[in-house]
Amino acid sequence: AQTVTQSQPEMSVQEAETVTLSCTYDTSESDYYLFWYKQPPSRQMILVIRQEAYKQQNATENRFSVNFQKAAKSFSLKISDSQLGDAAMYFCAYRSDTGNQFYFGTGTSLTVIP
Amino acid sequence: NAGVMQNPRHLVRRRGQEARLRCSPMKGHSHVYWYRQLPEEGLKFMVYLQKENIIDESGMPKERFSAEFPKEGPSILRIQQVVRGDSAAYFCASSPPNFAAGELFFGEGSRLTVL
Repeated sequence: AQTVTQSQPEMSVQEAETVTLSCTYDTSESDYYLFWYKQPPSRQMILVIRQEAYKQQNATENRFSVNFQKAAKSFSLKISDSQLGDAAMYFCAYRSDTGNQFYFGTGTSLTVIP
Repeated sequence: NAGVMQNPRHLVRRRGQEARLRCSPMKGHSHVYWYRQLPEEGLKFMVYLQKENIIDESGMPKERFSAEFPKEGPSILRIQQVVRGDSAAYFCASSPPNFAAGELFFGEGSRLTVL
């Protein structure tokens, strides 16, 4: 089974600064999807950003962008101009192109300091 | 278009009782996933279902846990003879049949507390 590793249990960032959350994964497949989900204190998981492995261009959604390094199996999330509302648990997830199983990392708890 | 609906949001059971958690997927979605989140841990896959079929239950404990997704009505995650270790947040997620978007849509979760 594929594994997803988030090596930073907790991170903090000053408001308006930039923070990068790391994620690595293990797979033998060439086609797959990668996701970052956000879980705020209200607990509903929300999709932040998605990356298709066949696309070389890094995905961007407003203040959120990824650094996708396929050879290194790395998928980090960069949050620019951090806001108080960004405080949440962030989960990295992997999904095979052929299967329907999603694999999640253990999460990174992000604190935004005013 | 209503999102994924889970109920109850909070459930308290005594050891040995049964817990039933319900999940209504988003309209048009025919795939349902159940995940368990223990305190300070990530999401652990439990089971993946389509209407009237269990596709993958590799994450389900062998005993006391069962899931169904009938032709009509919500998906049900059933835990028999609950123990304190079953206390967790249980999340349901759904996806459309074509899976083109590739993402899951999550409910707000059901928090089970076993006394």
